Amino acid sequence: SAVISQKPSRDICQRGTSLTIQCQVDSQVTMMFWYRQQPGQSLTLIATANQGSEATYESGFVIDKFPISRPNLTFSTLTVSNMSPEDSSIYLCSVEFGGRGRDTFGSGTRLTVV
Amino acid sequence: KNEVEQSPQNLTAQEGEFITINCSYSVGISALHWLQQHPGGGIVSLFMLSSGKKKHGRLIATINIQEKHSSLHITASHPRDSAVYICAVRSGRDDKIIFGKGTRLHILP
Repeated sequence: SAVISQKPSRDICQRGTSLTIQCQVDSQVTMMFWYRQQPGQSLTLIATANQGSEATYESGFVIDKFPISRPNLTFSTLTVSNMSPEDSSIYLCSVEFGGRGRDTFGSGTRLTVV
Repeated sequence: KNEVEQSPQNLTAQEGEFITINCSYSVGISALHWLQQHPGGGIVSLFMLSSGKKKHGRLIATINIQEKHSSLHITASHPRDSAVYICAVRSGRDDKIIFGKGTRLHILP
């Protein structure tokens, strides 16, 4: 399976600022996925990031708020823009590698907006 | 009704007890995952299952595809097992991952 390095593991940010979360994979993967877990809720898919094309966003998530970059097959970033306390969540990336259903997950980023 | 349901939502047990956490799902799947989320939010992948049973140390995961049900067992539980355990399935319908809400486990010394 692939190994994902996700950074930062946690951050406390001021409202109105932006935070960029990085995921580095040790193998080349076609798609990377970004999720959000709001307090007390289950993880929810934000978007799917393909290399060489714009990310595909799920209903309720927009590119202006959560811009995603996918410059190559091993790296992706998710930016949480113009943050408010409601953006305080855990953000997680994942990839599918080595066969259908062979998902690998990052370790998560705990974001607190004050 | 959620497509992935976990039970119980919360579980408190004494150190040494045998723990069972259940996951039921309503969609066809290609794989099921058990994840452990530490109190600080960090997530660790425990198992990926498509059939049968897997064991790693004191952890055992089983899946019954026909019944659309999986269980995670912890033998000889220890306070360091205290965490949220999340069941996630990769849907065969749209190939997306659907997460359960998690089971919060607290093991008392």
